[in-house]
Amino acid sequence: AQKITQTQPGMFVQEKEAVTLDCTYDTSDQSYGLFWYKQPSSGEMIFLIYQGSYDEQNATEGRYSLNFQKARKSANLVISASQLGDSAMYFCAMREGKITGAGSYQLTFGKGTKLSVIP
Amino acid sequence: DAGVIQSPRHEVTEMGQEVTLRCKPISGHNSLFWYRQTMMRGLELLIYFNNNVPIDDSGMPEDRFSAKMPNASFSTLKIQPSEPRDSAVYFCASSFFFGRGRNAGNTIYFGEGSWLTVV
Repeated sequence: AQKITQTQPGMFVQEKEAVTLDCTYDTSDQSYGLFWYKQPSSGEMIFLIYQGSYDEQNATEGRYSLNFQKARKSANLVISASQLGDSAMYFCAMREGKITGAGSYQLTFGKGTKLSVIP
Repeated sequence: DAGVIQSPRHEVTEMGQEVTLRCKPISGHNSLFWYRQTMMRGLELLIYFNNNVPIDDSGMPEDRFSAKMPNASFSTLKIQPSEPRDSAVYFCASSFFFGRGRNAGNTIYFGEGSWLTVV
């Protein structure tokens, strides 16, 4: 089973509108972290926002917020007031807290959602 | 502060040639990751180092791939001999790992990637 599922291959949003990018995850760990990264056409991976499994409040970073629903195992990214520069691929990722051997804290990524902002 | 620095940014090489990708992690980080990104398979972890020691190399595709981390500020990923199917974007990323305990939230920062084309 996939650990991170992003069901929207592509999304369109009107400039200045809000958009929600979906992400569901699968883990048996109690301690885990959820991340969103942005990858513009230039290719770099830009960290956007982080939510810890023990955090009671939803994370916010400027125009980005994470709608964390632990019971549903979802961590949707909300972008408010979309801008043309928000057009990019968006990846949801999870880092599990389970320690194996000397420790393994790799990120597991979803397939991504391509967001296009329409002027 | 300097982020993760990768070189070369772009490389075009002929099949059979040796390719060496280089990475300088963020100063103070003790975990280093090599990821590969392709359209078909998305982002895959190739290998992960902690304190310069390879911890998990289960993602390395085959013996043609090797990675080293001779010190805390430098790592290489080598492909010898290269094949067209190795064409991808190779990302280096770094993070700080505290050891046992809650590390799930330690953000992994990515370099800008090395775009490899094997013809």
